[in-house]
Amino acid sequence: DIQMTQSPPSLSASVGDRINITCRASQNIRMFLNWYQQKPGKAPKLLIYAASSFQSGVPSRFSGSGSGTDFTLTISSLQPEDFATYYCQQSYYAPLTLTFGGGTKVEVK
Amino acid sequence: EVQLVESGGGWVQPGRSLRLSCAASGFSFDDYAMYWVRQAPGKGLEWVSGISWNGDTIAYADSVKGRFTVSRDNAKNSLHLQMNSLRTEDTALYYCAKDDSSGSYFVDYWGQGTLVTVSS
Repeated sequence: DIQMTQSPPSLSASVGDRINITCRASQNIRMFLNWYQQKPGKAPKLLIYAASSFQSGVPSRFSGSGSGTDFTLTISSLQPEDFATYYCQQSYYAPLTLTFGGGTKVEVK
Repeated sequence: EVQLVESGGGWVQPGRSLRLSCAASGFSFDDYAMYWVRQAPGKGLEWVSGISWNGDTIAYADSVKGRFTVSRDNAKNSLHLQMNSLRTEDTALYYCAKDDSSGSYFVDYWGQGTLVTVSS
């Protein structure tokens, strides 16, 4: 089974900071990597699909990069509404099977 | 507007059964694969099951295989999860989720979830 490892598990940052969240797959998943944002008490929301494509309505300060086994979600200038938990997810090897990373919680410094 | 509304959650004793449902609207339900994803209190997201648009292809997480059964009724725009032999570790918020249907298998819409509590 493919494992998805996110780092760091949590980070503290300030409004305006640039932050990077990484996701590593245990096997090559090409660009089949997606990112979600989840705020407390809410359902997750799709941000990025296929490693670097924006979901409609997602602010341009969010970007995704990477391929193969190493991927990054970047927030170029953190806004107050961006404090949340972020999850990566792959589905390359098995149809209808979603594998999530453990999550990265972005907190206020 | 896409809407996914889960129901059927509640408190149940270990070993018992529960059936979750998801009512879908705002899209052509029978064109899309669907998922169940759960989240234990304070924990991350865990995929539970996926079902193709016509029900011909189904996948389960190892943690629920043999105990849970996913099904869909395209005539009624509904998705179901029959959960048998429930364990305390099945306690979670269960989300119904829609596949984007690009063939890449990811979720573009989520319901708000229904809470399942397994406890004696």
